Amino acid sequence: TQLLEQSPQFLSIQEGENLTVYCNSSSVFSSLQWYRQEPGEGPVLLVTVVTGGEVKKLKRLTFQFGDARKDSSLHITAAQPGDTGLYLCAGALTGNQFYFGTGTSLTVIP
Amino acid sequence: DAGVIQSPRHEVTEMGQEVTLRCKPISGHDYLFWYRQTMMRGLELLIYFNNNVPIDDSGMPEDRFSAKMPNASFSTLKIQPSEPRDSAVYFCASSLSGSSGNTIYFGEGSWLTVV
Repeated sequence: TQLLEQSPQFLSIQEGENLTVYCNSSSVFSSLQWYRQEPGEGPVLLVTVVTGGEVKKLKRLTFQFGDARKDSSLHITAAQPGDTGLYLCAGALTGNQFYFGTGTSLTVIP
Repeated sequence: DAGVIQSPRHEVTEMGQEVTLRCKPISGHDYLFWYRQTMMRGLELLIYFNNNVPIDDSGMPEDRFSAKMPNASFSTLKIQPSEPRDSAVYFCASSLSGSSGNTIYFGEGSWLTVV
């Protein structure tokens, strides 16, 4: 049983479209992170959110932590081919022990 | 600065053979993690160390798997005997407690195929 469920599992969109990826759990997290992983490489941290309701923006990416700290979303505006990759959320119940979500594989078609 | 270094990058081995994966964490980091990634199960935490001491090994699938961290700059993950279902990408990662956001830095992974 996965602690964090992501949806959708796969997403294929045209360049310029907007998209939202969801990360849901029944557990409360002290912090939540989003990573992007490209083929043949390890995941790379995009953002960390720690406060319920927190919103962070990274250029065209907007991250939100749910008020109850059980869920999160990642919104990409005007997707580009360079955004293609596997997006992973990761939640910490305590300290440095992070559990990763099931992942969303995004393909942006030029 | 050098990131997390893993070896080998790729390994193909026969069922029943011993496999040893190696990891050098980022210098100064006090946490080290071993993860396994497969299409079916995603990224799973196998074990993690704090200051070279194993803290939680509940993710280790079975007794065939063992991990050691003899010093702050080296860790191994051993599978003996290996089985085809162990085929996966194994990631080592490290982090520094108290750092902003507790960023986990991943290596490039060791791609294991057991035939």
